[in-house]
Amino acid sequence: AQKITQTQPGMFVQEKEAVTLDCTYDTSDQSYGLFWYKQPSSGEMIFLIYQGSYDEQNATEGRYSLNFQKARKSANLVISASQLGDSAMYFCAALIQGAQKLVFGQGTRLTINP
Amino acid sequence: NAGVTQTPKFRVLKTGQSMTLLCAQDMNHEYMYWYRQDPGMGLRLIHYSVGEGTTAKGEVPDGYNVSRLKKQNFLLGLESAAPSQTSVYFCASSYPPTGPEAFFGQGTRLTVV
Repeated sequence: AQKITQTQPGMFVQEKEAVTLDCTYDTSDQSYGLFWYKQPSSGEMIFLIYQGSYDEQNATEGRYSLNFQKARKSANLVISASQLGDSAMYFCAALIQGAQKLVFGQGTRLTINP
Repeated sequence: NAGVTQTPKFRVLKTGQSMTLLCAQDMNHEYMYWYRQDPGMGLRLIHYSVGEGTTAKGEVPDGYNVSRLKKQNFLLGLESAAPSQTSVYFCASSYPPTGPEAFFGQGTRLTVV
């Protein structure tokens, strides 16, 4: 069964610093997609970034980048120049093509301090 | 663009009552999912569907049933609600013709007393 692990329950970072949120995944499939979502205190799920298992380049979207290390099965989210509005829960997720289901990690609560 | 719409947004049930949560999407997506999120926790997959007329069990399917009679709708049923089913329920849909990411509804807060 697929499993997504986020080992950091909470992170505290000073504003304007970069932050890395860890995510590891466990699958024997060769074809899969990795996602990061943000959930602010208002509760909605906001898509941030996607990485396909066959993509050779690490994905980037504005201040977000995904540090994809396929051999280590890790897909860490890097947020550069953090802002107060980045304070939220962050979830890593994987879509395994064979199983066709989207599963999530436990989440990391990120707090940006002024 | 409505995207993914969940009905209702809030509900309080008594133990043993039944109810159905409706998820509707207007993006012609094949895949639809139901998740539950408990306080301070991630999203756990209840059931999912990869197309009209198909459903499959996720990580925590017990106590729930689903139906996908129409491509745009995915229904989650609770036959006999229990306090352990108090949670926030999210519906999501994806693939194709939009990109790989799943689109989420706004969530349904269910309390079983």
